[in-house]
Amino acid sequence: KNQVEQSPQSLIILEGKNCTLQCNYTVSPFSNLRWYKQDTGRGPVSLTIMTFSENTKSNGRYTATLDADTKQSSLHITASQLSDSASYICVVSAGGYQKVTFGTGTKLQVIP
Amino acid sequence: GAVVSQHPSRVICKSGTSVKIECRSLDFQATTMFWYRQFPKQSLMLMATSNEGSKATYEQGVEKDKFLINHASLTLSTLTVTSAHPEDSSFYICSAREDDYDNRRAEAFFGQGTRLTVV
Repeated sequence: KNQVEQSPQSLIILEGKNCTLQCNYTVSPFSNLRWYKQDTGRGPVSLTIMTFSENTKSNGRYTATLDADTKQSSLHITASQLSDSASYICVVSAGGYQKVTFGTGTKLQVIP
Repeated sequence: GAVVSQHPSRVICKSGTSVKIECRSLDFQATTMFWYRQFPKQSLMLMATSNEGSKATYEQGVEKDKFLINHASLTLSTLTVTSAHPEDSSFYICSAREDDYDNRRAEAFFGQGTRLTVV
């Protein structure tokens, strides 16, 4: 069964600090992995998308890594800001039919 | 970036009535659109995959007669919640996948979501 697990479930950090969110998946065959940011009551917004051959992808203060061998991905946020407070969702797509499996998300809270 | 517009953002309806939610891709064509449901503090759950010009594919456990999906054009899909009940109250989100030759990188953009409250 395709699964995507994220950790931690929730995280509180001080403004300006860095943090790393984890995503482990068992989706097969692997097509791509995406990280989304979802503000409360809003639709998810794409941060990064990586295919099998890509190890790292940056988008401003967000840097995602992918290890296709261990089926792990991480999202690193540098110099966090209050506006980074949101849920971060890891989404993995499988095969030609583009079936997607969503992780349960990590709820990040950045405090002053 | 590509924009997906979902309307309405909030709707309150009486039990037994029907509600239509629209999902539009504003600057790209989307042969495929997806409808999700999200309960508080939970992840998005795929309800159905909407394909332009053909019948939608529903996930197991989703009643197709209750959640009617119409994907009449390459930029518009609608979800109609028929005979709504309080337990249908939820956050409904659509996403549209950009038609792309390279399926590996086909991006899916999400709408803003619709908060449905059935009273």
